Amino acid sequence: QKEVEQNSGPLSVPEGAIASLNCTYSDRGSQSFFWYRQYSGKSPELIMFIYSNGDKEDGRFTAQLNKASQYVSLLIRDSQPSDSATYLCAVNPGGTGRRALTFGSGTRLQVQP
Amino acid sequence: GAVVSQHPSWVICKSGTSVKIECRSLDFQATTMFWYRQFPKQSLMLMATSNEGSKATYEQGVEKDKFLINHASLTLSTLTVTSAHPEDSSFYICSARDRTSADTQYFGPGTRLTVL
Repeated sequence: QKEVEQNSGPLSVPEGAIASLNCTYSDRGSQSFFWYRQYSGKSPELIMFIYSNGDKEDGRFTAQLNKASQYVSLLIRDSQPSDSATYLCAVNPGGTGRRALTFGSGTRLQVQP
Repeated sequence: GAVVSQHPSWVICKSGTSVKIECRSLDFQATTMFWYRQFPKQSLMLMATSNEGSKATYEQGVEKDKFLINHASLTLSTLTVTSAHPEDSSFYICSARDRTSADTQYFGPGTRLTVL
């Protein structure tokens, strides 16, 4: 079982719709959770992070965390073609704090005009 | 968010030469930086963890004598690809951990290496 699992997609949504991206993780000791966006040929850029159960909103983005279910999701409201990218879920494994984030393999999102 | 720079953004070199890539955290101190490699249409692959003032920790299968890492200050880590070969051509990305921001990793823009 992979430590961080994401559906590879592509997830295709029409412009203006809500895109829902999901991620599950295996390490119950994980402390914080991150969503990054990566455009083709570019490096990942941070969208937001969350560490408490519930929802966290930032503009058109909402991250949702459920530690009991080991599940984190990202909602993108009013999706735009410019949102088309690969979305990476990452988990902080905790411990001594010297380890890298554990990344999922990413979900490719396509927003159709 | 915090800013991480990388230099150069792209480099072309001849087989057998060495290439140095710099990674700087511009507005925060990073005791830990990470080096990744990414081939086209593939996932990020962690190569090594760079700790300020100590030796880097390499992931399994990554040759430490080929990929030399130096983290001499709290804002600078360097990756040197020694005796580069065409199969080393890839997109190299660094990230720096901000301990003051939930251990968020901020990524540099990446360096595209092409070895002829």
